[in-house]
Amino acid sequence: KAGVTQTPRYLIKTRGQQVTLSCSPISGHRSVSWYQQTPGQGLQFLFEYFSETQRNKGNFPGRFSGRQFSNSRSEMNVSTLELGDSALYLCASSSSGISTTDTQYFGPGTRLTVL
Amino acid sequence: GQQLNQSPQSMFIQEGEDVSMNCTSSSIFNTWLWYKQDPGEGPVLLIALYKAGELTSNGRLTAQFGITRKDSFLNISASIPSDVGIYFCAGLRTYKYIFGTGTRLKVLA
Repeated sequence: KAGVTQTPRYLIKTRGQQVTLSCSPISGHRSVSWYQQTPGQGLQFLFEYFSETQRNKGNFPGRFSGRQFSNSRSEMNVSTLELGDSALYLCASSSSGISTTDTQYFGPGTRLTVL
Repeated sequence: GQQLNQSPQSMFIQEGEDVSMNCTSSSIFNTWLWYKQDPGEGPVLLIALYKAGELTSNGRLTAQFGITRKDSFLNISASIPSDVGIYFCAGLRTYKYIFGTGTRLKVLA
């Protein structure tokens, strides 16, 4: 079974631009969560989608948004990029959602650099 | 953002030594997960724990879900160079996972 895939693996953007990251979960998984990882703040939860609905949200500004499609693939968008948005963005999938004994499996991440 | 207390923050050990790290919280968790992350890659799941008191092994790795549900530990026996990396704990509460600050492990051959 293929794992979680994320595209692109690396991105370089400039301040003020916007970016869209993509995540394809493990086949059969319906829950997708997004995390931001930085050396200073560690792994921070952004949001979780289940069956095309945002079910849970972390404490990030509205510039961070996401969506999930009917095939469970998910995209994350960051608008008006700031230097502090430089991070490794990780996507994780699980079968029925993180409200059960499900286990999350992570993708390789997208490394975003904002200049 | 909220994070779990994970210790030690980093450690250097000799190849062949045993390693122990733990995560603690003031809150109760329903699930504990342990991950290993290599540089530039996503975390890879090592062990999942779902019941208080549960002790689970995966090869040279052993993890336990604390009886109080507020802590968990991970042991690595007979460490090898490829054990190098950052180890994260994660606790499930109120429908989202909270992650530990990570333990950076360096193994000296």
